[in-house]
Amino acid sequence: QLQLQESGPGLVKPSETLSLTCTVSGGSISSSIYYWAWIRQPPGKGPEWIASINYSGNTFYKPSLRSRVTISIDTSKSQFSLKLASVTAADTAIYYCARRTEQVVPRAYYFDYWGQGTLVTVSS
Amino acid sequence: EVVLTQSPGTLSLSPGERATLSCRASQSVGGNYLAWYQQKPGQAPRLLIYGASSRATGIPDKFSGSGSGTDFTLTISRLEPEDFAVYYCQQFGSSATFGQGTRLEIK
Repeated sequence: QLQLQESGPGLVKPSETLSLTCTVSGGSISSSIYYWAWIRQPPGKGPEWIASINYSGNTFYKPSLRSRVTISIDTSKSQFSLKLASVTAADTAIYYCARRTEQVVPRAYYFDYWGQGTLVTVSS
Repeated sequence: EVVLTQSPGTLSLSPGERATLSCRASQSVGGNYLAWYQQKPGQAPRLLIYGASSRATGIPDKFSGSGSGTDFTLTISRLEPEDFAVYYCQQFGSSATFGQGTRLEIK
């Protein structure tokens, strides 16, 4: 059974960089049909996709966050990571890592595995 | 960016009833790129439906999805206590987006 586990600081100061890592176990991170994603959810609101990356390092970013976000992958450790720079209180949220699967025929995409999430609070 | 608007915001029904949840997109979404998720308090979202109408692995057939273009529907027949949760639609376009959610509560 595939499992994803987020790790990183739960408290970040304003203007600093938020850094999170997701460790994937129980399955391969290196498959062409998967992208690995970061998704966040502010308290009481809907989820917001942030960025995705595949095993070869191809990336997609939410346009409004692109200037502050870096996503990276280390296939040797089965991990992928998120860095979000210059954080403010608006970045306070539960951060999830998730797997995006591509179904080839018929073509479809979906987030089918999620980590349990980690709450990151931005406060001085 | 495609904006997804879900209605109603809150739906109050009794166990045994049928729930119909709506998701409207600000521009046409490829039907294969629309998914539905269920979220319970303190848990991550759980995939229910992908490709607008295909049930994910292990999802019972009381959950069904339909729609195309800009209008999509999630139907839950015969509500059971464990079905009361928040439901989100989500689309994969040039940038993935989620709706704001429909809270399904016990009447």
